[in-house]
Amino acid sequence: DGGITQSPKYLFRKEGQNVTLSCEQNLNHDAMYWYRQDPGQGLRLIYYSQIVNDFQKGDIAEGYSVSREKKESFPLTVTSAQKNPTAFYLCASSTPPGPGLTIYFGEGSWLTVV
Amino acid sequence: SQQGEEDPQALSIQEGENATMNCSYKTSINNLQWYRQNSGRGLVHLILIRSNEREKHSGRLRVTLDTSKKSSSLLITASRAADTASYFCATVSYSGAGSYQLTFGKGTKLSVIP
Repeated sequence: DGGITQSPKYLFRKEGQNVTLSCEQNLNHDAMYWYRQDPGQGLRLIYYSQIVNDFQKGDIAEGYSVSREKKESFPLTVTSAQKNPTAFYLCASSTPPGPGLTIYFGEGSWLTVV
Repeated sequence: SQQGEEDPQALSIQEGENATMNCSYKTSINNLQWYRQNSGRGLVHLILIRSNEREKHSGRLRVTLDTSKKSSSLLITASRAADTASYFCATVSYSGAGSYQLTFGKGTKLSVIP
């Protein structure tokens, strides 16, 4: 089945640790995204990548890092510099840029700082 | 930054009733999309309406778009308990240099009471 796979579903992080969230897609999309969602809130864009080996900061990139070495993969690292990382993280990919641009989401990853 | 603003923030109805949610936006758009999110899950694409369309149907969903008022509505007819979810609108706008920007609203939380 075509889709976006995020792992792990649940992750616990100790203070001062970096953690990496995995995102893999087999939709053959060039563009991929990471969003953060806090309880009862909308989506905020962390980073996006329009093509392999290229990515741009979104609205809340501080404390996060990404890489895009392969078309299928767009991992997100939550660094110790992120002061309030507990949230629901959503990875997405989209059809080519154009008037009909449509975005598809993974099932999300819950990150909790303990 | 968020362009779409849903209204109301929360809506509670009885099963069998119709549910209407509204979305307003600020700048010109290429298309507007509605997404559904069950609690703790990813967003699922429901329907896309292009800027030159005024109404679109998909099953029990009816979407309207009024570009003169910069607003859209999502109507769910004959609601079911399984429709309980958060609903988000998203707009796609041309941002120059061949790029398109996708921005989400904060969502409407719909509760359908059996």
